Amino acid sequence: DTGVSQNPRHKITKRGQNVTFRCDPISEHNRLYWYRQTLGQGPEFLTYFQNEAQLEKSRLLSDRFSAERPKGSFSTLEIQRTEQGDSAMYLCASSTRQQGSYEQYFGPGTRLTVT
Amino acid sequence: AQSVTQLDSHVSVSEGTPVLLRCNYSSSYSPSLFWYVQHPNKGLQLLLKYTSAATLVKGINGFEAEFKKSETSFHLTKPSAHMSDAAEYFCVVSERGTGGFKTIFGAGTRLFVKA
Repeated sequence: DTGVSQNPRHKITKRGQNVTFRCDPISEHNRLYWYRQTLGQGPEFLTYFQNEAQLEKSRLLSDRFSAERPKGSFSTLEIQRTEQGDSAMYLCASSTRQQGSYEQYFGPGTRLTVT
Repeated sequence: AQSVTQLDSHVSVSEGTPVLLRCNYSSSYSPSLFWYVQHPNKGLQLLLKYTSAATLVKGINGFEAEFKKSETSFHLTKPSAHMSDAAEYFCVVSERGTGGFKTIFGAGTRLFVKA
């Protein structure tokens, strides 16, 4: 088990372009989460999946953002028409029920810079 | 409403002295509480978790935290700081209620360790 992986690790794009990030969770983890972290702040919850179902979406997830987990394994996060305010670290985490809780294991993140 | 407050944005200690990072939370239900650590350019790592079992929770690297319901606190402590403890620490509340599943991170406390 190699942990949660995210690709790419860094992405620089021009304003108005679309970007897509991928997250591969720990195998057999049924829950997958996306967060956004800006400099000097804690991660902010965006959305989460249980298997292939997207069960929760934060109001931070505007119409330009969409996330999928088509087969209940890897997930993608797409941002359309990127804006400079989208520049942040995008974190993915996965979990399964252990001893009464869903402790989350985080990937290294994808750092997005919108110029 | 659910919230997490980390009372200090920065804490500075000398190597070998005790560490105290403070966290207060509010929750309408029975939350799970976590502490995560983030070293520069590295992913978030789980230090410890509370899930309604023992109120004194021991984690990795000599850290522990005590859940005090009456004070709505979950402070992180370590008897003796090591240089390698210098990092950003996040207190996290996670719960499922009528509003759905929520995970909220505190703003973080940066720990500095002086030689």
